[in-house]
Amino acid sequence: EVQLLESGGGLVQPGGSLRLSCATSGFTFSSSAMSWVRQAPGKGLEWVSAFSGIGEITHYADSVQGRSAISRDISTNTLYLQMSSLRVEDTAVYYCAMRGSGKWYFDYWGQGTLVTVSS
Amino acid sequence: EIVLTQSPGTLSLSPGERATLSCRASQSISDYLAWYQQKSGRAPRLLIYDGSSRATGIPARFSGSGSGTDFTLTISSLEPEDFAVYYCQQRSNWPITFGQGTRLEIK
Repeated sequence: EVQLLESGGGLVQPGGSLRLSCATSGFTFSSSAMSWVRQAPGKGLEWVSAFSGIGEITHYADSVQGRSAISRDISTNTLYLQMSSLRVEDTAVYYCAMRGSGKWYFDYWGQGTLVTVSS
Repeated sequence: EIVLTQSPGTLSLSPGERATLSCRASQSISDYLAWYQQKSGRAPRLLIYDGSSRATGIPARFSGSGSGTDFTLTISSLEPEDFAVYYCQQRSNWPITFGQGTRLEIK
């Protein structure tokens, strides 16, 4: 069974940094494509970043480009999102999501972790 | 960036009725479109991919159609558990984008 479990969210001041983690199990992490999707309170879904399994190609939304870095640790089957220079508008629930086939749709999702950027 | 515009913003229907949700892309995306259902406080669930293919375990009352710029999600006969927010998502070009959502509420 595929499991995705996010952690690392919390309250951070504007300009601060945070690293989100997504612990995974139930599939071959090293060859899987993963992504982060966020949802601001009461708002819709916003794709944030993607990491292709093979080739390790990364993609970022313009809203986080230059402030975020997606990475993974194959030894622990964990996906990360390092976020810096955080802004109030980065406040959201951050979901880890997995591409289930060879196409960029999200078949599996974690439960999300809340990041609140506030002074 | 490809913009996806969903309509209506809110749809009020009764159980047993047919629901028709629309998603329009700002440029052609072939059939590279998915639909998700999200219930309050929960993660989204993939319903439809590649415009019309149902994801694993999705009931047959959910169907998708369309290609190019205009897409439709149809729920043939609403069940009480179908009242939720629905999003479309395109994978044609980076960045991946989502529509703003349609809220399906009980009338």
